[in-house]
Amino acid sequence: DTGVSQDPRHKITKRGQNVTFRCDPISEHNRLYWYRQTLGQGPEFLTYFQNEAQLEKSRLLSDRFSAERPKGSFSTLEIQRTEQGDSAMYLCASSLAPSGGNTIYFGEGSWLTVV
Amino acid sequence: QQPVQSPQAVILREGEDAVINCSSSKALYSVHWYRQKHGEAPVFLMILLKGGEQKGHEKISASFNEKKQQSSLYLTASQLSYSGTYFCGTEGVGSGNTGKLIFGQGTTLQVKP
Repeated sequence: DTGVSQDPRHKITKRGQNVTFRCDPISEHNRLYWYRQTLGQGPEFLTYFQNEAQLEKSRLLSDRFSAERPKGSFSTLEIQRTEQGDSAMYLCASSLAPSGGNTIYFGEGSWLTVV
Repeated sequence: QQPVQSPQAVILREGEDAVINCSSSKALYSVHWYRQKHGEAPVFLMILLKGGEQKGHEKISASFNEKKQQSSLYLTASQLSYSGTYFCGTEGVGSGNTGKLIFGQGTTLQVKP
């Protein structure tokens, strides 16, 4: 399977703990995105990379959130000192740009539950 | 500036058609349509670009009215597999081709036998 893969798929953590999610984009895709989705809502943009450069971060991304893409391939999203409000599905997506239309493909998501 | 989708929910019988609308208050560069089933990733269906180019799915079509900042997704001869939540994701002219999408609240489609 050459789609976007995310790990872990599910994570339950206690409030205050740190968690890290990993995303492997579609091979050769130079753009990688992180979105967050809560139940009943559409995905919300968090940040994106082109190769290893983080080009934009949403205001939703507090200082407790950090994302990296050190070699322009996989990416990690770390949440420090988790809060109950962080409970959501964290979606990774990738695309090949520039290309007509910039089709964005999503991974299966990483569900986070903070208890 | 979240786009507004309508209807919020629709129930169909197999073989019936449906239209889902997406309306934005700002000038759009592109509109992306996705279908998501419960607990799964959003699956790409269709992308519409400013200037009229359209790419997407075989049995699903869409329109993009740039002047009105509106897009509609047309599902014809619906199948049970069409059930799910449909999201439009919009990209403003200012964001052009970055992939920074703002999604609507979704339209839940249920197809019954």
